[in-house]
Amino acid sequence: NAGVMQNPRHLVRRRGQEARLRCSPMKGHSHVYWYRQLPEEGLKFMVYLQKENIIDESGMPKERFSAEFPKEGPSILRIQQVVRGDSAAYFCASSLRDRGEQYFGPGTRLTVT
Amino acid sequence: DQQVKQNSPSLSVQEGRISILNCDYTNSMFDYFLWYKKYPAEGPTFLISISSIKDKNEDGRFTVFLNKSAKHLSLHIVPSQPGDSAVYFCAASGGSGGGADGLTFGKGTHLIIQP
Repeated sequence: NAGVMQNPRHLVRRRGQEARLRCSPMKGHSHVYWYRQLPEEGLKFMVYLQKENIIDESGMPKERFSAEFPKEGPSILRIQQVVRGDSAAYFCASSLRDRGEQYFGPGTRLTVT
Repeated sequence: DQQVKQNSPSLSVQEGRISILNCDYTNSMFDYFLWYKKYPAEGPTFLISISSIKDKNEDGRFTVFLNKSAKHLSLHIVPSQPGDSAVYFCAASGGSGGGADGLTFGKGTHLIIQP
């Protein structure tokens, strides 16, 4: 009965490289959410996806960031041409239904050097 | 624009006593509220939630109270145990900060349980 899985747990990228963060929701959950936490801050919503659909991306930066949740496989958060300001903890959550409790993964800590 | 506010960055409580964590919100569109607990280097763990049609929800040692007119909610933990030491986040949904379904989080309160 695995919970939400995220990998990698830690990711180091140089400025200008691409970062790919993966999230596998809890079994039976088809709603996935991505959040970002900067140091000393709360979590900030980025995007909400269901299988093959982006439902709400109002929290996503307009450039360099994209997300997908394909029919098969994990959800991917992709950051192109990373900059130092992208260094943060990125958390994925899943829920059984919309407006339901969200269960979080352990996070991916991205460090941009 | 902080739509969910946790004004106490930290709180120290003696073991066995009641811990009360507070949260205020400004967006009247929020209709669902949740509390999460977070240890360092881990993801948030869901604790308890409450819908805006209720004013109280209880689960074991945890009780959440909602005062809609004051736009205020609180989490009571009784009795407090050493394992409760963590950062507690208040979150809300239904407003525009995170879309209808994305959660809007406060900055957290670090609860320290003293032996």
